[in-house]
Amino acid sequence: NAGVMQNPRHLVRRRGQEARLRCSPMKGHSHVYWYRQLPEEGLKFMVYLQKENIIDESGMPKERFSAEFPKEGPSILRIQQVVRGDSAAYFCASSPPNGQGPGDTQYFGPGTRLTVL
Amino acid sequence: DAKTTQPTSMDCAEGRAANLPCNHSTISGNEYVYWYRQIHSQGPQYIIHGLKNNETNEMASLIITEDRKSSTLILPHATLRDTAVYYCIDPTYNTDKLIFGTGTRLQVFP
Repeated sequence: NAGVMQNPRHLVRRRGQEARLRCSPMKGHSHVYWYRQLPEEGLKFMVYLQKENIIDESGMPKERFSAEFPKEGPSILRIQQVVRGDSAAYFCASSPPNGQGPGDTQYFGPGTRLTVL
Repeated sequence: DAKTTQPTSMDCAEGRAANLPCNHSTISGNEYVYWYRQIHSQGPQYIIHGLKNNETNEMASLIITEDRKSSTLILPHATLRDTAVYYCIDPTYNTDKLIFGTGTRLQVFP
């Protein structure tokens, strides 16, 4: 059973360009989460999605950032008009649809390292 | 903000047990305690979780105090590959948001 897959692993963009980060959850998982880790800092929750629904986006910046998890295909984190402060590692995690209680176990992907020049 | 507190760093000799403490004094009755680790530049790795009883799996053991205000993660025979930042996490009840604190940086030395 393949783990959570993210691509690309490394992404370089110039200021003002768009960045698209993809996440394929583990087989059978229907919950996806995105976290951001700025250089030398801890992981910060961004958004929690289920198929075709955004459940919690309390950690998403109000502008330029969006996320989706369509019925078919991977989850996409989209950053428009990137700035240097967006340079970070972006991690995706997934969990199964029927967990055993609060805080279902999340399994993380290897991350996408975004560098904005 | 994270609802747990952990020591900033710890050292452990290879082959010895590593005991990583965590305080979660505000935990409520239905909240699990989760442990993850992050080896340099990799994605966080799930280790173990528990509610009231002590737990053990192939990676580690988790000892939870009777009042549930603190817990200890035990790596019984630490190896160099266990060098990582270890996070004790108290997920917010009824949401799936993991709030990571600063964790404990464990250095295993030969």
